[in-house]
Amino acid sequence: QKEVEQDPGPLSVPEGAIVSLNCTYSNSAFQYFMWYRQYSRKGPELLMYTYSSGNKEDGRFTAQVDKSSKYISLFIRDSQPSDSATYLCATQMDSSYKLIFGSGTRLLVRP
Amino acid sequence: GAVVSQHPSWVICKSGTSVKIECRSLDFQATTMFWYRQFPKQSLMLMATSNEGSKATYEQGVEKDKFLINHASLTLSTLTVTSAHPEDSSFYICSATSGTGGPEAFFGQGTRLTVV
Repeated sequence: QKEVEQDPGPLSVPEGAIVSLNCTYSNSAFQYFMWYRQYSRKGPELLMYTYSSGNKEDGRFTAQVDKSSKYISLFIRDSQPSDSATYLCATQMDSSYKLIFGSGTRLLVRP
Repeated sequence: GAVVSQHPSWVICKSGTSVKIECRSLDFQATTMFWYRQFPKQSLMLMATSNEGSKATYEQGVEKDKFLINHASLTLSTLTVTSAHPEDSSFYICSATSGTGGPEAFFGQGTRLTVV
């Protein structure tokens, strides 16, 4: 079993739709949860991170963590074609430890 | 966010030669740098973790004599692919953390290596 599971997609939605991206993880010791966006042939870009359970909002993006079910979510409101990319979730035991990545979900937002 | 610069962005080399990839933190001191490899449509695979001034820690299955990592300063780490073969062709990405307490890792733009 992979430590972090993520549906690879692709996920195709019309412009303006609400997008829900999800990951599950197996190790209850993970404390930090990140979402990265990666455009083709580029390095990942950090969107946001959360510590432990809870929600965090940044503009059109909302990250949720439910540690009881080991479930991580990223919601994108009013999706735009420029949001088309691969979204990677990642977890970390503490702030100095290595990141464990999910496989990434390819998102396509159709104009 | 902090800026990590990776160079070159792409390189083509002949089989048997060595290639060096540089990773620089431009506006912060990177106590820890990570090197990843990514195959098409797959996630990032951690190759090694390097701390400034000490030997890199390699992940299981990664040949340390083939992938030489040097982290000589707080702003520069290098990955040298020695005696490259076509199967080494991949996308290599570095990331850096500042070690100031935040968990954020900032990534370089990646290097596409093609060995012919």
